[in-house]
This record gives sequence, structure tokens and C-alpha cells, in this order.
Amino acid sequence: DAGVTQSPTHLIKTRGQQVTLRCSPKSGHDTVSWYQQALGQGPQFIFQYYEEEERQRGNFPDRFSGHQFPNYSSELNVNALLLGDSALYLCASSHVGGGQNEQYFGPGTRLTVT
Amino acid sequence: QKEVEQNSGPLSVPEGAIASLNCTYSDRGSQSFFWYRQYSGKSPELIMFIYSNGDKEDGRFTAQLNKASQYVSLLIRDSQPSDSATYLCAVNKENTGNQFYFGTGTSLTVIP
Repeated sequence: DAGVTQSPTHLIKTRGQQVTLRCSPKSGHDTVSWYQQALGQGPQFIFQYYEEEERQRGNFPDRFSGHQFPNYSSELNVNALLLGDSALYLCASSHVGGGQNEQYFGPGTRLTVT
Repeated sequence: QKEVEQNSGPLSVPEGAIASLNCTYSDRGSQSFFWYRQYSGKSPELIMFIYSNGDKEDGRFTAQLNKASQYVSLLIRDSQPSDSATYLCAVNKENTGNQFYFGTGTSLTVIP
């Protein structure tokens, strides 16, 4: 049973650049949520995709956008990168209507903005 | 007021002891409660979830929920050095879809 996968593992970008992160959900899951985790903090919810639409959004600026594809995989795009965007970006997948909608995380993408 | 609060620790316990990790939440509409373990440099790993008042046991782990007190805890029996990690508490609130709110985590060290 394939778990959640993310790519790339690490990424270094310069301020002002744009970045795209990718996520494939766990087999059988149809919902993808993205989180940002700064050092020493808990994950902060960015947004959630289900049926190829953004269903929920956290308190993040419009520079953060996403997409979900018909195969349930997802992308997170961040434009005009700031130093403060440096963090671990986590993708979590779940199944709508499945138990308590528990979410399973991928290994994350470590983004460094210089 | 934060949605979810945890004591950041660090919490140190000797090997074989019981580790007790606590979490409080602010919204009485919270429905489901989750405990994740996160090793340094790794992503969070789901270890327990609970949604009814009372206790839920899974191996060496017991989750306890008290909705009246808005309190959820995780007990780890027979603690092992491999349990040394940061433990994150998360809640899922009613009418927010499947948006999880996380605490900042409690760092646990099990001393051999």
C-alpha cells in the first residue's frame, strides 16, 4: 500500500522566485491538505483540495495557490517567495467519509529561501 | 487564544516509565482528536485518534478525552528511548471540513 509521496525532498530558491511542490496521496484517498511547518512550530493549514476544488483555506496570502488533478495528486505553488516562506511543507491525504477523516502525512519538502 | 495548546516541554522520563502528554483546545465544537509523533527532521506520523469521551488504548499508547474539560492526553507506557520525539496534538473542528489545528508539540526524551 503506497503511502503519501512528495517531491522534491529539498529545494533552495531565491527571494522573488516561484516554486511548485508536488504530492501524491495514499492509495484510496481523495483529499489532499497542505501545511506549512516552521521550525519549532506545529503545522499550519494552508488549504485543502477535494474533487479538484479548493474546499478550505487557512490564513495564507494569495501567493499560495494549488491544484488537484483527476488522479487526486496535487500541487502547491508559491509565488514571489519571501525569506519567511522557508519551512517544511507537508502534504496530508485523507478519505472523505472515511472514519474520522484521519490525515496521513508525506515526508515533506524542505524549502529554503535565500 | 490558540486553538490548541500544549506544554512545549521538554519532558524527560526514565526508560520503562509512563510518559503523560497533555493538550487543551479552545473550541467546544471540536470533533476529533489526533496525536502525531514527529522525529527530528521527519514528518508527523499518526499514532492515535479519539473522538468519544473516555480512553482508547492501542498497544503501549492510551489516548484520553474529556470534552467537558476540553482536554485530551496521551499516555505512553513502558517508555522506550525510541519514543523520544515531539508529540503533536491536532483537533478537527465541526463545520471546518477536514481542517486540522495543531499545537506546537511537546518534546519528549526517554532516558536509558
